[in-house]
Amino acid sequence: KQEVTQIPAALSVPEGENLVLNCSFTDSAIYNLQWFRQDPGKGLTSLLLIQSSQREQTSGRLNASLDKSSGRSTLYIAASQPGDSATYLCAVNNYGQNFVFGPGTRLSVLP
Amino acid sequence: EADIYQTPRYLVIGTGKKITLECSQTMGHDKMYWYQQDPGMELHLIHYSYGVNSTEKGDLSSESTVSRIRTEHFPLTLESARPSHTSQYLCASSEGSGGNEQFFGPGTRLTVL
Repeated sequence: KQEVTQIPAALSVPEGENLVLNCSFTDSAIYNLQWFRQDPGKGLTSLLLIQSSQREQTSGRLNASLDKSSGRSTLYIAASQPGDSATYLCAVNNYGQNFVFGPGTRLSVLP
Repeated sequence: EADIYQTPRYLVIGTGKKITLECSQTMGHDKMYWYQQDPGMELHLIHYSYGVNSTEKGDLSSESTVSRIRTEHFPLTLESARPSHTSQYLCASSEGSGGNEQFFGPGTRLTVL
């Protein structure tokens, strides 16, 4: 059964820092991995989707990498801003299966 | 504009009432999902659908029911609300069955008194 973990559970950084969020999964035969952002009391916003054949995806200041063999993905946020404060979740799925979500990393970027 | 909608956004209701949470998407996606999330806690899949007339139970047991009569519409019903049903309910959709990108609605925050 696929299990997803995220480290750290919470992170607080000063504005302008570059930071890395980690996601690990137990079954490396994944089809997709998706990173989301969730603001308090809101729905999830899709940030990046990495297909199993890809190694990384970039969108603006965000870069997500995927290492299937080691069961890991990282989300890199460059030049963090207070507006980046949110909970970041990763989700993975094996072909034909539903997505399995991690518990999330709660990020606070201090001005 | 293609999007996914949920109504109501907030609902406060008394114990024993029947409620229906609405979810609609205009992206033409086949697969739709309902998740339950308590504040600060993980998402739990409670229902999903592969398409019209298809409904499946998710990983977390729920007293709610769903229906899928039209591709774009996936309502969730609680026949008799209880305080234990207080939570946020999130609807999502994706294209196809292989696990394509998921898109989420804004959520419905339900409080049962």
